[in-house]
Amino acid sequence: EVQLVESGGGLVQPGGSLRLSCAASGFTFNTYWMTWVRQAPGKGLEWVANIKQDGSEKYYVDSVKGRFTISRDNAKNSLYLQMNSLRAEDTAVYYCARGMTTADYWGQGTLVTVSS
Amino acid sequence: DVVMTQSPLSLPVTLGQPASISCSSSQSLVYSDGNTYLNWFQQRPGQSPRRLIYKVSNRDSGVPDRFSGSGSGTDFTLKISRVEAEDVGVYYCMQGTHWPRTFGQGTKVEIK
Repeated sequence: EVQLVESGGGLVQPGGSLRLSCAASGFTFNTYWMTWVRQAPGKGLEWVANIKQDGSEKYYVDSVKGRFTISRDNAKNSLYLQMNSLRAEDTAVYYCARGMTTADYWGQGTLVTVSS
Repeated sequence: DVVMTQSPLSLPVTLGQPASISCSSSQSLVYSDGNTYLNWFQQRPGQSPRRLIYKVSNRDSGVPDRFSGSGSGTDFTLKISRVEAEDVGVYYCMQGTHWPRTFGQGTKVEIK
């Protein structure tokens, strides 16, 4: 059974940093692109970033470029999102998902709140 | 960026009646490999999104056959043949052809 479990969310002040993790199981992690998607409270879904199987290609939505970094550790079956210079508008539930042209499995999400 | 526009944004439906959601893209979603990467997701209240349909019309395993997807190029439709109580939630289209990937605004389906 495919499982994606996010962790690392919490309350952080504006300008602060946070690192999200996603532990994957139930599939061969190093053969799939992976994705981060976020959802602000009461709002719709927003794609954030993608990373290729070997980490050689990464794509970001413009609003996080230069502040967020997606990475992965295939030996640990884990996906990461390093978030720096956080802003109030980054407040959202962050989901880890599998895929590149799609997102066939999703985690339960982890809440990031940026507030002073 | 490719803009995905859904309509309607709110859809009250009577149980057992059909429902239809439209999604249009600002650019063609046909990729160079000939595939059209248009997905539909369902998000029930308090849950993570779940994929229903991929590549326009392919239904995921376990998705009831009352859900169907159609369309081509820039115009797509998700249809529910007979709405059931468990179908309440928000439905999103998402394009996976162009970077950055983009979602529609979401359509809230509720029971009248």
